[in-house]
Amino acid sequence: QSALTQPASVSGSPGQSVTISCSGTSSDIGAYNFVSWYQQHPGKAPKVLIYDVTNRPSGVSSRFSGSKSGNTASLTISGLQAEDEADYYCCLYTSTNTLMVFGGGSKLTVL
Amino acid sequence: QVQLVQSGSELRKPGASVKVSCKASGYTFTRYAMNWVRQAPGQGLEWMGWINTNTGNPTYAQGFTGRFVFSLDTAVNMAYLQISSLRADDTAIYYCARNNPYMDVWGGGTTVTVSS
Repeated sequence: QSALTQPASVSGSPGQSVTISCSGTSSDIGAYNFVSWYQQHPGKAPKVLIYDVTNRPSGVSSRFSGSKSGNTASLTISGLQAEDEADYYCCLYTSTNTLMVFGGGSKLTVL
Repeated sequence: QVQLVQSGSELRKPGASVKVSCKASGYTFTRYAMNWVRQAPGQGLEWMGWINTNTGNPTYAQGFTGRFVFSLDTAVNMAYLQISSLRADDTAIYYCARNNPYMDVWGGGTTVTVSS
């Protein structure tokens, strides 16, 4: 199973919206609605932002939203803030949990 | 509160072994599988596999078979990752993460450094 494809870097100015894509194939992202997104600040453990494509865990800001179209999942961050500067990873998990795979990660820079 | 607490940093020589621990608290340990994730220096997250905490049955991702072993001690709510025949490219941060089935709770990570 190959890693999912994410842009290496994205950027935006405070207050703007940015979208990070996560591309796969019809055998992975296209076949399952089990995409999650994680935020990782330098030196910290990852934190889940989105699960099952669109769901936000309790306590996660509504500025983070997820979606999927075909073989590509996306994370949108609206009202960009300086604290959003971090690495972001998508992850696909199958319903049987026999396989999980991460995207390569995207570094978000807030200009 | 639900948390995973991992053991401290380890320094090993090539060829040695290391055992990383992950102690769970705040929930019923056997109701959720445990994932292990590797992050090499400056690199992304890599799923190593998971262990069914109810049956003890492990599943290893490609590239993590042979030298990597997941185990449990359910009496003390602990999950373990053992790596044998360590190589320099095993140098990384290793995370445990609860399976829900997404990874909803993460340990703080254990840094393993392999150097002569």
